[in-house]
Amino acid sequence: DSGVTQTPKHLITATGQRVTLRCSPRSGDLSVYWYQQSLDQGLQFLIQYYNGEERAKGNILERFSAQQFPDLHSELNLSSLELGDSALYFCASSVEMGTEAFFGQGTRLTVV
Amino acid sequence: GENVEQHPSTLSVQEGDSAVIKCTYSDSASNYFPWYKQELGKRPQLIIDIRSNVGEKKDQRIAVTLNKTAKHFSLHITETQPEDSAVYFCAALNNDYKLSFGAGTTVTVRA
Repeated sequence: DSGVTQTPKHLITATGQRVTLRCSPRSGDLSVYWYQQSLDQGLQFLIQYYNGEERAKGNILERFSAQQFPDLHSELNLSSLELGDSALYFCASSVEMGTEAFFGQGTRLTVV
Repeated sequence: GENVEQHPSTLSVQEGDSAVIKCTYSDSASNYFPWYKQELGKRPQLIIDIRSNVGEKKDQRIAVTLNKTAKHFSLHITETQPEDSAVYFCAALNNDYKLSFGAGTTVTVRA
């Protein structure tokens, strides 16, 4: 157990819908990263937050948004879902930027 | 932005032999290079990392080397065992704090 908690573990939804994925970082970690991993693909960086502020952005679609709350948990919002959004979404956290990142177990999103 | 390339995409080795995975990065300001192992259906887990002020780091059967001039770094696994079979990802952290990953290498250790 890495100490990073993601909910839900699995999510099945229809095209056009909106979902929210939640991540609770390890206690004391200020930095949260979000990644998308499609089937047999690598880890695509989406976005990173540090202590509530957005610090880095990857190839995140405009339909996707995220935030980190004062208690440091983070949410990734995916809207107008398409079949191609089906993937495993990982959250990772680290104490500081540039230190070891610990991954959650991921949320498997299936869009039907 | 940072671009990390990883080779090979698949690697099959005989148990006991060595495995080498190579990565290159584009942003010369990148300063932190972790390696992650992801077993099937599980989360990626850090196995070793190296910072730009170090050229080599070793932890038991695993070693990582970094060549800042050439902007490449490599993972070496010696005396491979069946439990080493997994997907391995390299990553690089640039000055903008973006941690970018390579596409991954699927390592299969043949008994």
